[in-house]
Amino acid sequence: GAVVSQHPSWVICKSGTSVKIECRSLDFQATTMFWYRQFPKQSLMLMATSNEGSKATYEQGVEKDKFLINHASLTLSTLTVTSAHPEDSSFYICSARDWATAGYEQYFGPGTRLTVT
Amino acid sequence: AQTVTQSQPEMSVQEAETVTLSCTYDTSENNYYLFWYKQPPSRQMILVIRQEAYKQQNATENRFSVNFQKAAKSFSLKISDSQLGDTAMYFCAFMKPSGTYKYIFGTGTRLKVLA
Repeated sequence: GAVVSQHPSWVICKSGTSVKIECRSLDFQATTMFWYRQFPKQSLMLMATSNEGSKATYEQGVEKDKFLINHASLTLSTLTVTSAHPEDSSFYICSARDWATAGYEQYFGPGTRLTVT
Repeated sequence: AQTVTQSQPEMSVQEAETVTLSCTYDTSENNYYLFWYKQPPSRQMILVIRQEAYKQQNATENRFSVNFQKAAKSFSLKISDSQLGDTAMYFCAFMKPSGTYKYIFGTGTRLKVLA
């Protein structure tokens, strides 16, 4: 149980285009989903926290107009990188909390590698 | 604000030996949760062990155990009988069970198990 999927696992896009990454909780309802960015050999950096049906809360320094987050349902959150540039190339990871158990553990997706050329 | 520090960027251990990874944190909270996550080369984050601050007993999961020292704000992970599959990045994380429930991650320790 408690499986989180991400799609796509790897995406290459051209500079100036937008790309959407999906995060789904497959077997539980997620009241809260988190989006992280991870550079090579570094830790996870929290970008934003999203709650179903409300606006995402962005961490300081994260451009909300560049990284659009939508949490439309209890099983789906999306991250859209708008007007992507090479510096946006990174590994993006989502995680989710299980609403039913009110558990404190986050379940992580397998990540999405974004390469902007 | 809470901070989490992992002072060992890299460690290595011989197969079947025991290794301890360090983690310290800073908080004024009394109720919180601590976690150790493993990130193997696949980059999938895997929960290793969890500790509730209100519990005095140290958590254990098979070959993995923690030494939780609340007063010292220390949360080390001991891996016994190390296996090649334990080779990974290990992250310590702090969470306050209120508000956004977000994790504060440490910088990670890269562990290599040698055959």
